[in-house]
Amino acid sequence: GQNIDQPTEMTATEGAIVQINCTYQTSGFNGLFWYQQHAGEAPTFLSYNVLDGLEEKGRFSSFLSRSKGYSYLLLKELQMKDSASYLCAVRDPSDSGYALNFGKGTSLLVTP
Amino acid sequence: DAEITQSPRHKITETGRQVTLACHQTWNHNNMFWYRQDLGHGLRLIHYSYGVHDTNKGEVSDGYSVSRSNTEDLPLTLESAASSQTSVYFCASSGNPSDTEAFFGQGTRLTVV
Repeated sequence: GQNIDQPTEMTATEGAIVQINCTYQTSGFNGLFWYQQHAGEAPTFLSYNVLDGLEEKGRFSSFLSRSKGYSYLLLKELQMKDSASYLCAVRDPSDSGYALNFGKGTSLLVTP
Repeated sequence: DAEITQSPRHKITETGRQVTLACHQTWNHNNMFWYRQDLGHGLRLIHYSYGVHDTNKGEVSDGYSVSRSNTEDLPLTLESAASSQTSVYFCASSGNPSDTEAFFGQGTRLTVV
């Protein structure tokens, strides 16, 4: 089984930086994914980490430490449109192969 | 452009009825997945398939079934709908190798009354 934890809600100010943490305990590991989901819409892919370290993609970066079972998503220069849920997901081949196992998501509110 | 589509987008059904939700992808992906999303639970895996005639149970498979007769489609059937199955259902697909992300359909909001 898996245990994937992330904060339920966060609030940040437009233009600021916010870090959303995710911790996981899984039997196996073959990648950690971050998705963004706006209300009433489908999740969309943001980032993927399988090796330790930082992956940067524009205003978004994601970090992974496999030994600590820890990841974070860093959002820079926040915009109002970044208000959404951010979903952390782990691929555990020992449990469900290629399927992603999701945490409950972090609802981010960006305020003016 | 390749895509993944779900139908219907919204459905209301009565308790005890059989319901089938459709999922169709044009990426020629081998891997297809069904999730349900509920407040307080996040996305939970119902069933998944890695190819034609392959199906596997996920975390919350009771009361649901899937079949994979071709690469493009993975319909989800609720054998006898229950109020506890009121939810938003998402279909997703991914290709090989295993490091490719999953692409999600727009979701089906199902209400069981």
